Amino acid sequence: GENVEQHPSTLSVQEGDSAVIKCTYSDSASNYFPWYKQELGKRPQLIIDIRSNVGEKKDQRIAVTLNKTAKHFSLHITETQPEDSAVYFCAARSDYKLSFGAGTTVTVRA
Amino acid sequence: DGGITQSPKYLFRKEGQNVTLSCEQNLNHDAMYWYRQDPGQGLRLIYYSQIVNDFQKGDIAEGYSVSREKKESFPLTVTSAQKNPTAFYLCASSIETSSEQYFGPGTRLTVT
Repeated sequence: GENVEQHPSTLSVQEGDSAVIKCTYSDSASNYFPWYKQELGKRPQLIIDIRSNVGEKKDQRIAVTLNKTAKHFSLHITETQPEDSAVYFCAARSDYKLSFGAGTTVTVRA
Repeated sequence: DGGITQSPKYLFRKEGQNVTLSCEQNLNHDAMYWYRQDPGQGLRLIYYSQIVNDFQKGDIAEGYSVSREKKESFPLTVTSAQKNPTAFYLCASSIETSSEQYFGPGTRLTVT
């Protein structure tokens, strides 16, 4: 099955700086890569996703890049704000199933 | 994310008891999923259903059972055979298995 690894597990950034989270996946057949944000005690919410036929996607301060050859994808958050503090999960879909990374706890320092 | 409900929010049970977690959606989604989340870990798939009256085991199905008798409902039973049932359980749904998944608010189960 698919195995997704996510790094780093924790990330502390100064407000206004950028944050980068990286994920690797094992199954070359994976074709869909969503990123979820989960605030404490809340449900995960999709913030951006990318499909395997696209190399990069951007939505305001958030961008995701995908390198199919190397089987890795990354989330970039620019101009971080206190409300960006949360746990972020990457995922990869293979054979109708989503496999999730272990999560990155992002703390934005004011 | 609105349109998927899970109840109750918190559930406490004694060891050895079966317990059923509710998941209902009014989004007219065909596919539904159950995940388990433990501290410091990502979400792990327990069961999923692509359509009514059909469901498949996920990565950690042992000790769990599900049913999908109605499109709107996908209840999860945590049986006494599940060795470590205390966790946060999340239900999700999508139009189909290739579509974006929407999550419910979750049920925190504590077994003592």
